[in-house]
Amino acid sequence: QKEVEQNSGPLSVPEGAIASLNCTYSDRGSQSFFWYRQYSGKSPELIMFIYSNGDKEDGRFTAQLNKASQYVSLLIRDSQPSDSATYLCAVNIYNNNDMRFGAGTRLTVKP
Amino acid sequence: DVKVTQSSRYLVKRTGEKVFLECVQDMDHENMFWYRQDPGLGLRLIYFSYDVKMKEKGDIPEGYSVSREKKERFSLILESASTNQTSMYLCASSLGWGGYGYTFGSGTRLTVV
Repeated sequence: QKEVEQNSGPLSVPEGAIASLNCTYSDRGSQSFFWYRQYSGKSPELIMFIYSNGDKEDGRFTAQLNKASQYVSLLIRDSQPSDSATYLCAVNIYNNNDMRFGAGTRLTVKP
Repeated sequence: DVKVTQSSRYLVKRTGEKVFLECVQDMDHENMFWYRQDPGLGLRLIYFSYDVKMKEKGDIPEGYSVSREKKERFSLILESASTNQTSMYLCASSLGWGGYGYTFGSGTRLTVV
């Protein structure tokens, strides 16, 4: 079983819709959870992090964490064509020595 | 904002050459990492360092070595480049362990011919 799993997509949504990106992880000791955005040909950029169960909102982005279900998600409200990118979920086990990345979900927002 | 700078955006090297990839960060981060990213395989950790002169192997260290002589600089060395090392190489840094995200450099696309 992969440590961090994401649906590779592509996920296509119309402009203005809510895009929902999902991620599951295997290690119950995981403490910190991150979402990175990667535009084609560019490097990943950190956009959200969450440590506690529940929701965390930042502008149009909401990260949701459910540790019991080992599930973390990213919602993008009012999706824009500029949101078209690959979104990487990453999990860090506290005091562990590296970040575990999912393979990413490719999102396309159509005008 | 933390800046992580990789010295080259594109490199073309010949099989058997020794290749140096340089990475510099400007915010006094403790930890630095080297990843490679390949289509369908995602990000794979090659080596990381948590202090000057300290290094730890990641998931795929074979064929690579690293050097961290100064806190701000972390170098990746391909001892004898091979075609299967053609990839995008990404350097990253973080303030510490656990709850800190990574800041990535812009990447070096290496082609070995």
